[in-house]
Amino acid sequence: GAGVSQSPSNKVTEKGKDVELRCDPISGHTALYWYRQRLGQGLEFLIYFQGNSAPDKSGLPSDRFSAERTGESVSTLTIQRTQQEDSAVYLCASSLGGGGFSGNTIYFGEGSWLTVV
Amino acid sequence: GDSVTQMEGPVTLSEEAFLTINCTYTATGYPSLFWYVQYPGEGLQLLLKATKADDKGSNKGFEATYRKETTSFHLEKGSVQVSDSAVYFCALRNTGGFKTIFGAGTRLFVKA
Repeated sequence: GAGVSQSPSNKVTEKGKDVELRCDPISGHTALYWYRQRLGQGLEFLIYFQGNSAPDKSGLPSDRFSAERTGESVSTLTIQRTQQEDSAVYLCASSLGGGGFSGNTIYFGEGSWLTVV
Repeated sequence: GDSVTQMEGPVTLSEEAFLTINCTYTATGYPSLFWYVQYPGEGLQLLLKATKADDKGSNKGFEATYRKETTSFHLEKGSVQVSDSAVYFCALRNTGGFKTIFGAGTRLFVKA
């Protein structure tokens, strides 16, 4: 597609429920990232994918968080047993893989706003 | 590990004032450096970038020069406008890596 697409754009869920957030990266982009941005704060790295593999999961806050990517395209971030502290904007981004060229720009989606009540 | 430090905000300026937002980094190797901007109610978008030492990135009147000797990538604009009010993020990605590391962001308010 033309840009990174995320859904849902807004989600309100009850504490303890599971949520799934979806990301459609730009077509042809092999690298895909998830970040979290709490209100008024900076970006917190969660995970990235190169193709369908996730070489770096170091940012996932707890074992309630998981992510997968299929077909070198769509990715899903799942949060189980949501807590109020999970309330944030979850940002997906993608970039060309580029053989390690560090200058590839990453392009962000508009985010999924999650509110846990 | 690699990290980015940028000046705390908020920064409040009057229209047509000169802007500097400081950014310094710590990284092994030769990272690429970026400034991203987040306008109110919008997603992050790339403002400018520089991929090697002494490169200058520029866009929309903003500039930043990659200074390896001072490990800095300060953002500047000669005359800010109200429409520049946003949050600005400095970021780096290291050679051979795919992970982009962001600073905490600096909020800019420009008054008419």
